[in-house]
Amino acid sequence: GDSVTQMEGPVTLSEEAFLTINCTYTATGYPSLFWYVQYPGEGLQLLLKATKADDKGSNKGFEATYRKETTSFHLEKGSVQVSDSAVYFCAPPGGFKTIFGAGTRLFVKA
Amino acid sequence: KAGVTQTPRYLIKTRGQQVTLSCSPISGHRSVSWYQQTPGQGLQFLFEYFSETQRNKGNFPGRFSGRQFSNSRSEMNVSTLELGDSALYLCASSLGSGRGNEQFFGPGTRLTVL
Repeated sequence: GDSVTQMEGPVTLSEEAFLTINCTYTATGYPSLFWYVQYPGEGLQLLLKATKADDKGSNKGFEATYRKETTSFHLEKGSVQVSDSAVYFCAPPGGFKTIFGAGTRLFVKA
Repeated sequence: KAGVTQTPRYLIKTRGQQVTLSCSPISGHRSVSWYQQTPGQGLQFLFEYFSETQRNKGNFPGRFSGRQFSNSRSEMNVSTLELGDSALYLCASSLGSGRGNEQFFGPGTRLTVL
């Protein structure tokens, strides 16, 4: 069956550090991957979408990219802030038993 | 446009009881999916409803059931609660069913079973 493998956390960074979180999935036919963020005590919010067509999604300073050489998706931010502390999930687009990655918890220290 | 709403936000029940959770999707959205989130298992898919029909079901026992009404609002029911059912239950709505549809999540209902 389909599976999603996401970089394990927690990831602890200092403010203004560079962030990268990786995600791969085994299913074929998905044209894109969604990144969601969950802040403490809240539900998931869609952060952005990456497609295999080398389109970089971007939102709130985050960028979602796909690397053909490793067939993996990446969530990146050049300079993280304390307010970015949250859990980040990757998932193929919704429907048909959406499978989420295990989530990567990010702690950003001031 | 109002987002996905879930009621109640917090719930405390005891073992053996049953519980019903409610989800109101974004206006115009016809698909509602339910997920269970626990620290140990992460996010697990429960089921998806589209136009009042269950389209897909995850690997949960029959104690977990759901339904969708003609206005797309959905309810989830858990009978004979067990301690392990303590979790954050999230619902997500989307315009359509199937791959490619962006899901919008509600804030969740935190269920604690004592």
